[in-house]
Amino acid sequence: QVQLQESGPGLVKPSQTLSLTCTVSGGSISSGSYYWSWIRQPAGKGLEWIGRIYTSGSTNYNPSLKSRVTISVDTSKNQFSLKLSSVTAADTAVYYCARTVAPPVYFDYWGQGTLVTVSS
Amino acid sequence: SYVLTQPPSVSVAPGQTARITCGGNNIGSKSVHWYQQKPGQAPVLVVYDDSDRPSGIPERFSGSNSGNTATLTISRVEAGDEADYYCQVWDSSSDHPEFGGGTKLTVL
Repeated sequence: QVQLQESGPGLVKPSQTLSLTCTVSGGSISSGSYYWSWIRQPAGKGLEWIGRIYTSGSTNYNPSLKSRVTISVDTSKNQFSLKLSSVTAADTAVYYCARTVAPPVYFDYWGQGTLVTVSS
Repeated sequence: SYVLTQPPSVSVAPGQTARITCGGNNIGSKSVHWYQQKPGQAPVLVVYDDSDRPSGIPERFSGSNSGNTATLTISRVEAGDEADYYCQVWDSSSDHPEFGGGTKLTVL
């Protein structure tokens, strides 16, 4: 069974860069035709897709965040990562990583999520 | 971007049938996926491709999609089904997934 686990700082200062890593276990991140996504959820609000990466390194980002987002993959470590620059309080949310089936795009395995708070 | 509209809340008595709708322009032409999210937990995929169920999801969960409305139906509702439910599609025009705003299912 595939499992995903997010890791990274829970507190980030405004204007700095948020960095998270998702470690995949129970299978190779390179096997199968899967993408790997980041999704976030502010407290009490809905889900927002941030972006995805294929193991080739090909990426797609949410247009609303594209200028600040970088997603990368390290197949040797079975990990993929998120960097979100110039953060503000509006970026405070639970961040999830998820395996992405495509096409059509849906998310079949999710990490437990990690809360990132942007505050000085 | 493609807008998905869900009712904020649905209430149902145990043993009854809950229907949660997801509205969108010609959504019947898209594949719709549904997630269940219990408080403090990550979302769980309960229906994909309009009406397919992942392994481990009870047959009580079913989906349909036609015209401008997709529907998640939960039969013989149990207290453990109380959760937020989100629909999701791929918006080909913007090339990214879209989620509905979510529906809170309350079991009376």
